Amino acid sequence: GQQLNQSPQSMFIQEGEDVSMNCTSSSIFNTWLWYKQDPGEGPVLLIALYKAGELTSNGRLTAQFGITRKDSFLNISASIPSDVGIYFCAGRAGANSKLTFGKGITLSVRP
Amino acid sequence: DAGVTQSPTHLIKTRGQQVTLRCSPKSGHDTVSWYQQALGQGPQFIFQYYEEEERQRGNFPDRFSGHQFPNYSSELNVNALLLGDSALYLCASSLGFDYTEAFFGQGTRLTVV
Repeated sequence: GQQLNQSPQSMFIQEGEDVSMNCTSSSIFNTWLWYKQDPGEGPVLLIALYKAGELTSNGRLTAQFGITRKDSFLNISASIPSDVGIYFCAGRAGANSKLTFGKGITLSVRP
Repeated sequence: DAGVTQSPTHLIKTRGQQVTLRCSPKSGHDTVSWYQQALGQGPQFIFQYYEEEERQRGNFPDRFSGHQFPNYSSELNVNALLLGDSALYLCASSLGFDYTEAFFGQGTRLTVV
């Protein structure tokens, strides 16, 4: 079945630093979504990508839909303490298909 | 504008019991999907309801069933609970069966003892 790979499992950065994380798939996806989840809460949608090569920003966050359609990237610039959380990528292979999630990357920001 | 709401937020059940979880979608949304999130894992798709019918199903046994009501709200039922069913159950709503973006509720934390 479809799987999304996110690594490493955890990342530790200094406040003010930029951080990049990627998500890869063994199969093609037509939609990529990036979510952030805080402890005890549901995932919150950060950015949605619909077209190969698309680059989309949401404040300090920028995400890209890989040209091969098998990967996506999320960049957070000038990190702040509230960026702490778990970042999930999710992909959808086509119309009417389910969302598949990666295992997530836990981001820690040192003040 | 209310987002996705789920109830209850937490519950504890005994192995073998049955449980019902509830979800009200975001205003204007007509499609509800349910996910199971085990500790340290990403959400796993259980099933999706649209027009009061189950439209898609993930790799979950028949012990997991659901329902969607005319007002688009939904229930997830799990029978014969196992210890391994302990997880955060998430409801996501979207507009239309061919959805693009799913918005999640805060989840129901189910503990089976």
